[in-house]
Amino acid sequence: AQSVAQPEDQVNVAEGNPLTVKCTYSVSGNPYLFWYVQYPNRGLQFLLKYITGDNLVKGSYGFEAEFNKSQTSFHLKKPSALVSDSALYFCAVSRSGAGSYQLTFGKGTKLSVIP
Amino acid sequence: DGGITQSPKYLFRKEGQNVTLSCEQNLNHDAMYWYRQDPGQGLRLIYYSQIVNDFQKGDIAEGYSVSREKKESFPLTVTSAQKNPTAFYLCASRPPGLAKNEQFFGPGTRLTVL
Repeated sequence: AQSVAQPEDQVNVAEGNPLTVKCTYSVSGNPYLFWYVQYPNRGLQFLLKYITGDNLVKGSYGFEAEFNKSQTSFHLKKPSALVSDSALYFCAVSRSGAGSYQLTFGKGTKLSVIP
Repeated sequence: DGGITQSPKYLFRKEGQNVTLSCEQNLNHDAMYWYRQDPGQGLRLIYYSQIVNDFQKGDIAEGYSVSREKKESFPLTVTSAQKNPTAFYLCASRPPGLAKNEQFFGPGTRLTVL
């Protein structure tokens, strides 16, 4: 079985400050890890993914995430938050290998960037 | 949301009625998925399909049914057997290949049972 934990239901950060949204995972074998963002009443938008290689992954809108195998974490980061970054963020995991078709999502973290 | 359409955007249903949610994609993706989103619970997988005429149950399939007669279409029927159908429903598709490819999501349908 695979699972994702996002330990914070909500994260508040001041505009211009760095932000971090935390994610830890559990999966058998090597993971594929994803971050998605959702604005109110909209579908999910893909931000970035880790498949293999460099542990620091850069994605859309200035976001990046760091894969840490020993801590089974994949935290989302941005050096300087914008008010427009306020949204719901989801971390997701899938196991690598043939026959793997399912993504498991965390419960989401609501990010509020305060002007 | 580009390439995947869901309709209607809002849907109201009386108790005891079946309703069908539409999902269409023009991305030539093989795999398609249906998720249910409830506040504070993230996304839960209802059904998925890897190819035409084939589909598998996800984690919460009870009270739902699907079909995959065409590559482009993956409609979801919410039956009267679903005890608590009020939720936001998201359809997604994924390019061919292994799970390393990200899923693309539609804009969602909000279903409310009156």
